[in-house]
Amino acid sequence: KAGVTQTPRYLIKTRGQQVTLSCSPISGHRSVSWYQQTPGQGLQFLFEYFSETQRNKGNFPGRFSGRQFSNSRSEMNVSTLELGDSALYLCASSSLRLLRSSQETQYFGPGTRLLVL
Amino acid sequence: GESVGLHLPTLSVQEGDNSIINCAYSNSASDYFIWYKQESGKGPQFIIDIRSNMDKRQGQRVTVLLNKTVKHLSLQIAATQPGDSAVYFCAENINNYGQNFVFGPGTRLSVLP
Repeated sequence: KAGVTQTPRYLIKTRGQQVTLSCSPISGHRSVSWYQQTPGQGLQFLFEYFSETQRNKGNFPGRFSGRQFSNSRSEMNVSTLELGDSALYLCASSSLRLLRSSQETQYFGPGTRLLVL
Repeated sequence: GESVGLHLPTLSVQEGDNSIINCAYSNSASDYFIWYKQESGKGPQFIIDIRSNMDKRQGQRVTVLLNKTVKHLSLQIAATQPGDSAVYFCAENINNYGQNFVFGPGTRLSVLP
């Protein structure tokens, strides 16, 4: 079974631009979560999508948004890019087969490395 | 609270020795924990998980211990190999409805030949 895939793998943007990142979860997985990883702050949760709805959200400004499609694929968008948005953006998927979805394993993709100049 | 502060501890072990990586988690209500391994340029890779109704779980060469009294997790790697060199993160799911994992700062494991 193929793993989580993310595109593009690398991206360079300038301040003020916007960017859209894409994530395809493991086949059959319905939950997609996004994380930002930086040397200074580590891995931080952005949001989780399930059944095309945002179910959980971290403490990021509204410039960070996302969506999920009916096939569970997800995109995240960052508008008005700032230098501090340079990071590795990671997507993770979960199957949510368990009744208690808080105990489902997340599997990560390779990430998209975004550099804002 | 959220896990912040990026002093990245480093653990150096001799090849063949056992490694123990420790992690303190933040939320006493968290009921699910995962250890991840991250190699340079890659996303975190699942190693082993444990639910709060357990205090120990074993995998292939790895064991996770959970002490809920002091909110402490540890990852034990037996017969450490050069390929084990990476950054190891513990993660707790702080949300009882859905997925919202808080990650520790990570520990860099270096395996010496």
